[in-house]
Amino acid sequence: NAGVTQTPKFQVLKTGQSMTLQCAQDMNHEYMSWYRQDPGMGLRLIHYSVGAGITDQGEVPNGYNVSRSTTEDFPLRLLSAAPSQTSVYFCASSYLEGPGGYTFGSGTRLTVV
Amino acid sequence: GENVEQHPSTLSVQEGDSAVIKCTYSDSASNYFPWYKQELGKGPQLIIDIRSNVGEKKDQRIAVTLNKTAKHFSLHITETQPEDSAVYFCAAHAGKSTFGDGTTLTVKP
Repeated sequence: NAGVTQTPKFQVLKTGQSMTLQCAQDMNHEYMSWYRQDPGMGLRLIHYSVGAGITDQGEVPNGYNVSRSTTEDFPLRLLSAAPSQTSVYFCASSYLEGPGGYTFGSGTRLTVV
Repeated sequence: GENVEQHPSTLSVQEGDSAVIKCTYSDSASNYFPWYKQELGKGPQLIIDIRSNVGEKKDQRIAVTLNKTAKHFSLHITETQPEDSAVYFCAAHAGKSTFGDGTTLTVKP
């Protein structure tokens, strides 16, 4: 089992550019989410999904879009990158019932210059 | 929404000593409390969890306690080893997890 796979691992963007961070899981988890991690600020929820076709906003959704067309994939789109979006991004997934802990990907380190 | 506070933000102990990290939560609907360990350059990994109908859970050198009345829960690591050095996150779950800001634990050999 690969678990949660995130690509790319590192990315440098120029201000105003757009890009998509990929997240895929092979555990048939219903719940998927995106977090950003900044120094001293822990993990902040950007967007989450409880199943294909269903998405909702988290704590810091501005500047980001998501979609969930399949159970396995949950891409995060940056529409027009800003230096404030420089961060480490983690995708996490879990079963809805339980509840249970999250399985995290290894992260994408994004720098916006 | 849920608010989770975690203390201390940094903790340094000698190898063999115990370490305790404490968290408080605000939403009485939270019913699941996981703890994660994050090593440098990696994603957080679940190390232990406790559900709201349990007061204490132990797994080898780590244990968690939960006081629902006071809305606080704690992580206890005994006989610490250098490989326990990492960032530890608590979380409170009510439909989705809200995380504390993390504790950087350093175990000195």
